[in-house]
Amino acid sequence: DAKTTQPPSMDCAEGRAANLPCNHSTISGNEYVYWYRQIHSQGPQYIIHGLKNNETNEMASLIITEDRKSSTLILPHATLRDTAVYYCIVRSPHSGNTPLVFGKGTRLSVIA
Amino acid sequence: DAGVIQSPRHEVTEMGQEVTLRCKPISGHDYLFWYRQTMMRGLELLIYFNNNVPIDDSGMPEDRFSAKMPNASFSTLKIQPSEPRDSAVYFCASSLSFDSYNQPQHFGDGTRLSIL
Repeated sequence: DAKTTQPPSMDCAEGRAANLPCNHSTISGNEYVYWYRQIHSQGPQYIIHGLKNNETNEMASLIITEDRKSSTLILPHATLRDTAVYYCIVRSPHSGNTPLVFGKGTRLSVIA
Repeated sequence: DAGVIQSPRHEVTEMGQEVTLRCKPISGHDYLFWYRQTMMRGLELLIYFNNNVPIDDSGMPEDRFSAKMPNASFSTLKIQPSEPRDSAVYFCASSLSFDSYNQPQHFGDGTRLSIL
């Protein structure tokens, strides 16, 4: 699975969009980009995943660049409850149910 | 729907004691994972099972650690004897193999273990 690079921390004002970047310049053609987050004292929580098209669900949007070397997770209206560590993970479809490999992630602080 | 259930949520015990952590995966899920999280090493896999059979235990630190899955609805992680460096948060996760790359892993809220 390709390696990812994320900024260690970011701040966002409550009610504004939080844009979390992830660099995955060595991603291969069939690898997916997954995002998980971990709120303090809880287990990691799946947010969204995508291959090359932009994806949106009830939690967030995922924008993947055309060359697929980077992506951005967007929380459209961040709330204080979105304060968490966000992990970007690249996985091959052949990874199936193999374990997740977590990096250090981005610590997002949503500020009132 | 009930998520992954772990018990106990907190455990404080003295060095040398046996510790047993428990996990109930989501009903119908056929993969179960045990992860450990520390400040120094972050989140790392210990062992995972498919259909109750251990697939990869290369992350288990040493022989003091053992894990079992006697049936599809229950797994244990045991440490005997425990040491202060085992202090960490231990997470259990489960997932469904069908259309596997579209199936996220669901995590429990973890067991915070402190060995004095």
